[in-house]
Amino acid sequence: GAVVSQHPSWVICKSGTSVKIECRSLDFQATTMFWYRQFPKQSLMLMATSNEGSKATYEQGVEKDKFLINHASLTLSTLTVTSAHPEDSSFYICSARDQGGSGANVLTFGAGSRLTVL
Amino acid sequence: DAKTTQPNSMESNEEEPVHLPCNHSTISGTDYIHWYRQLPSQGPEYVIHGLTSNVNNRMASLAIAEDRKSSTLILHRATLRDAAVYYCILTRLGSARQLTFGSGTQLTVLP
Repeated sequence: GAVVSQHPSWVICKSGTSVKIECRSLDFQATTMFWYRQFPKQSLMLMATSNEGSKATYEQGVEKDKFLINHASLTLSTLTVTSAHPEDSSFYICSARDQGGSGANVLTFGAGSRLTVL
Repeated sequence: DAKTTQPNSMESNEEEPVHLPCNHSTISGTDYIHWYRQLPSQGPEYVIHGLTSNVNNRMASLAIAEDRKSSTLILHRATLRDAAVYYCILTRLGSARQLTFGSGTQLTVLP
């Protein structure tokens, strides 16, 4: 089945530094990937839609200059949290859809990346 | 997207069947019913989906009401590893949009 790999699985950084999270579709191509954020005991909230070869689409309230998304190939999207602050500490999860899949819109999710900003 | 309603939490005993309900009274004719689950500290995992007919796979069964306004995810024999948050989500046929997650049902499996 479709597999999405996310790296790193956890990261600790100092306030003010930038952190990059990678999301790879291992056995399929994905023109669109989705980035979610999940705070403790809350549900997943969509941050942005990553589009291969074009700009990402951000949800309302998500700062595009702070959360930089690059989708340079059909198998890789990256999320960079710039100038991270403690309030950016969260669980970041990416997902992708197998373009060869059915019209049922089944998404495959990465295992998530836990970011802790000190 | 049409909204779904699920109980916040449910408990089950190990090795017994679990029926997780979901109400979606505003579902449209082209909405698929999806179920995902999220184990602790993991990304969501696809469980099953259906449109009109009941569906079975190796993980679970999906029973869809005749009027499609509700559905039930059935785990035939719960194990401790099934403890997770289960999300019922509607998606439009042919849609390439993101999935919108509600609060889901926290399933606790008791040994």
